[in-house]
Amino acid sequence: NAGVMQNPRHLVRRRGQEARLRCSPMKGHSHVYWYRQLPEEGLKFMVYLQKENIIDESGMPKERFSAEFPKEGPSILRIQQVVRGDSAAYFCASSPRDRGVDNSPLHFGNGTRLTVT
Amino acid sequence: KQEVTQIPAALSVPEGENLVLNCSFTDSAIYNLQWFRQDPGKGLTSLLLIQSSQREQTSGRLNASLDKSSGRSTLYIAASQPGDSATYLCAVPGGSNYKLTFGKGTLLTVNP
Repeated sequence: NAGVMQNPRHLVRRRGQEARLRCSPMKGHSHVYWYRQLPEEGLKFMVYLQKENIIDESGMPKERFSAEFPKEGPSILRIQQVVRGDSAAYFCASSPRDRGVDNSPLHFGNGTRLTVT
Repeated sequence: KQEVTQIPAALSVPEGENLVLNCSFTDSAIYNLQWFRQDPGKGLTSLLLIQSSQREQTSGRLNASLDKSSGRSTLYIAASQPGDSATYLCAVPGGSNYKLTFGKGTLLTVNP
């Protein structure tokens, strides 16, 4: 019973390049959440997606960041024209249904550590 | 706006000690509170989730309590072991149940 799978584990990009982070939720989970952990800061919510729908992107920076969760395949967090300030650990979590329904715990992946040089 | 504070920021104890980690939050209107463990370079492992109607939850040597009215939770670890060394995070939903607000964590080191 595989958990939340994220890849790559580590990603190095030069300033101006694009970063694509992938997240496969736990089997049977159709709700995906992305969080970012900046150095010396707590994790911050970025975006909540269901299959083919963005439910809440209130935590996403207004520019250069986008997320999708297609009908088939993993969820993708895309960062265009990366800058040094984007260096962080990006975590994905999943749940089987809307947490407003059953308060189920979130299950997190091991994260992708992005370094922008 | 929900804010979560964890005290102490770091804690070092000898093996075998019982210890308490503290978490406080500013908005007591929460659905639940969740404690996580984060190992260096790894993801988050959910330890305990306390529903708003509950006062405590136990799992093995871990016991978490919740006092909503005072905006506090404690994580009690009994008979600590070196393998317990990690960062412990608490999180509460802020605004929406899926939008967790995390504390900065307590870095625990258990010395053999």
